[in-house]
Amino acid sequence: QQQVKQSPQSLIVQKGGISIINCAYENTAFDYFPWYQQFPGKGPALLIAIRPDVSEKKEGRFTISFNKSAKQFSLHIMDSQPGDSATYFCAAIDRGSTLGRLYFGRGTQLTVWP
Amino acid sequence: DAMVIQNPRYQVTQFGKPVTLSCSQTLNHNVMYWYQQKSSQAPKLLFHYYDKDFNNEADTPDNFQSRRPNTSFCFLDIRSPGLGDAAMYLCATSRGGADLYGYTFGSGTRLTVV
Repeated sequence: QQQVKQSPQSLIVQKGGISIINCAYENTAFDYFPWYQQFPGKGPALLIAIRPDVSEKKEGRFTISFNKSAKQFSLHIMDSQPGDSATYFCAAIDRGSTLGRLYFGRGTQLTVWP
Repeated sequence: DAMVIQNPRYQVTQFGKPVTLSCSQTLNHNVMYWYQQKSSQAPKLLFHYYDKDFNNEADTPDNFQSRRPNTSFCFLDIRSPGLGDAAMYLCATSRGGADLYGYTFGSGTRLTVV
């Protein structure tokens, strides 16, 4: 069972455009929602994260929007650049568990063309 | 810099020949995880150690074993690799629980089975 559902699977955006990736979850025990960026041949790297008591978090060109009632969250990349081309994973975690296990979405392969 | 180091970066093994992947960390984190990531898929948790306590995911094949001789090192043993085990293997560490920003991935080992 996929705990976190992510769409789209792939996304092509023109340089300077806005990239939007959406995720949804069911488990209300999740209380932290990170996004990871992964380049080919590298491990995932934490990009930005949000708690459910906040509706939006912005870091530079990257913004997470969070809708607690709908159990949905999304990543917006403003002014997308070719260097943003990577695979993006949303994830969720129950911080009350000692394990700190991440539940990943299936990933979105973003291509930004010049 | 404190980090998670995986060796080797690329490993080629023969069908059925045991292989060991290694992970070391200088972060002194309590938890070490092994993930399997196949092409165009999300990382899948195989097992983890919380200190010396080993936790196996229910769907992790018996073919996969792990050892953690001390805080810094963790090994993934594949007893009889099959073609379906070809994947990127990611090691990650965390303090456990709420410390999400301490959740750090290594660069991975790309395993090829011939």
